[in-house]
Amino acid sequence: RKEVEQDPGPFNVPEGATVAFNCTYSNSASQSFFWYRQDCRKEPKLLMSVYSSGNEDGRFTAQLNRASQYISLLIRDSKLSDSATYLCVVNTGGFKTIFGAGTRLFVKA
Amino acid sequence: DAGITQSPRHKVTETGTPVTLRCHQTENHRYMYWYRQDPGHGLRLIHYSYGVKDTDKGEVSDGYSVSRSKTEDFLLTLESATSSQTSVYFCAFRPQEDTEAFFGQGTRLTVV
Repeated sequence: RKEVEQDPGPFNVPEGATVAFNCTYSNSASQSFFWYRQDCRKEPKLLMSVYSSGNEDGRFTAQLNRASQYISLLIRDSKLSDSATYLCVVNTGGFKTIFGAGTRLFVKA
Repeated sequence: DAGITQSPRHKVTETGTPVTLRCHQTENHRYMYWYRQDPGHGLRLIHYSYGVKDTDKGEVSDGYSVSRSKTEDFLLTLESATSSQTSVYFCAFRPQEDTEAFFGQGTRLTVV
């Protein structure tokens, strides 16, 4: 079993749709969590951190469920510009950061 | 701009040759990383560094070595390149041990 698992997709949604991504992690001692966005042939960039209390940034909402060991990302009112690959990232302590393989999103007009 | 650059951005090399990729950061961060990214695998850690001359292996370190003689530079060397090392290589730093990572623009390496 991979340490961090994501549905690879692709998710194909129309503009304006709401889409949700889930990510599960295996190490219960994991300490911090992030969502990154990666555009084609570009480097990953931080989208948002994920806090235990949940957090929101505009159309994006991230949540953490430590008991079930998953994190989620909700995108509301999808835009064409949201088309990208979304990476789930887990810091398991010390120097160890584990990246999920990513979920591809295509938003269509 | 995250203050981290990689060179070269693209390279084609022949099997069996040594190759060195360079990562340079301008913000004096302690923690630096080399990852490779391949379809279906996501980002996998090759080596990391927690200070000058302090480095350690990641999950896919075979065939790779690193050096960090200055805080700002982290070099990745493929000792004898193989076709399985064709990949996109990303360097990153973290400001603190448990914070987010910031990535360079990547090096696309092809071994023929």
